[in-house]
Amino acid sequence: VQLQQSGPGLVKPSQTLSLTCAISGDTVSSNSAAWNWIRQSPSRGLEWLGRTYYRSKWYSDYAESVKSRIIISVDTSKNQFSLQLNSVTPDDTAVYYCARDAAVCDSWGPGTLVTVSS
Amino acid sequence: EIVMTQSPGTLSLSPGVRATLSCRASESVSINLAWYQQKPGQAPRLLIYGVSTRATGVPDRFSGSGSGTEFTLTISNLQSEDFGVYFCHQYKTWLRTFGQGTKVEIK
Repeated sequence: VQLQQSGPGLVKPSQTLSLTCAISGDTVSSNSAAWNWIRQSPSRGLEWLGRTYYRSKWYSDYAESVKSRIIISVDTSKNQFSLQLNSVTPDDTAVYYCARDAAVCDSWGPGTLVTVSS
Repeated sequence: EIVMTQSPGTLSLSPGVRATLSCRASESVSINLAWYQQKPGQAPRLLIYGVSTRATGVPDRFSGSGSGTEFTLTISNLQSEDFGVYFCHQYKTWLRTFGQGTKVEIK
């Protein structure tokens, strides 16, 4: 499984952070995997943000810390999933990773450094 | 939320020795415990899952043990390429959490 991330590395405060993770070697609609976003910063360490998965229908779970601002969506035609984090502040500056969770996060994207700054 | 606490913060060891890293969970995670290795500029790499099962391609000098709330990652015969930060991770609950990491430095 390979995960390839794309998206801007610089976002202005109060704007929306958007990242995409393209999947090869698995399908986003798999009944045995979940698709996660995790971020890492010196202040927060590794922080799980949320996941989406398909089990006859689509489900999503989000961390309480970002629940009011996050959406994880899927594009099955492109076999990819995306992160949208609204109303960002400098505290959202981090390396963002996508990861496949097949019971445990066994495949990770390379990471995208996103800096929130004007 | 299950809080994962790792110790020590840093280990500075010579090649050939044994490294012992600890991880404590704030409540039982059963066997849903994994270890990752991370090197600078890279994503975490899965080493161990299910407390003691090595991921594909992981050398057998890496071993995991423990149960419930107390876990250990042992690196026997430490090699120079084993430097990096090691994280424990619980996946018992849908709200996944990670330890803060133990940095392994090679003298």
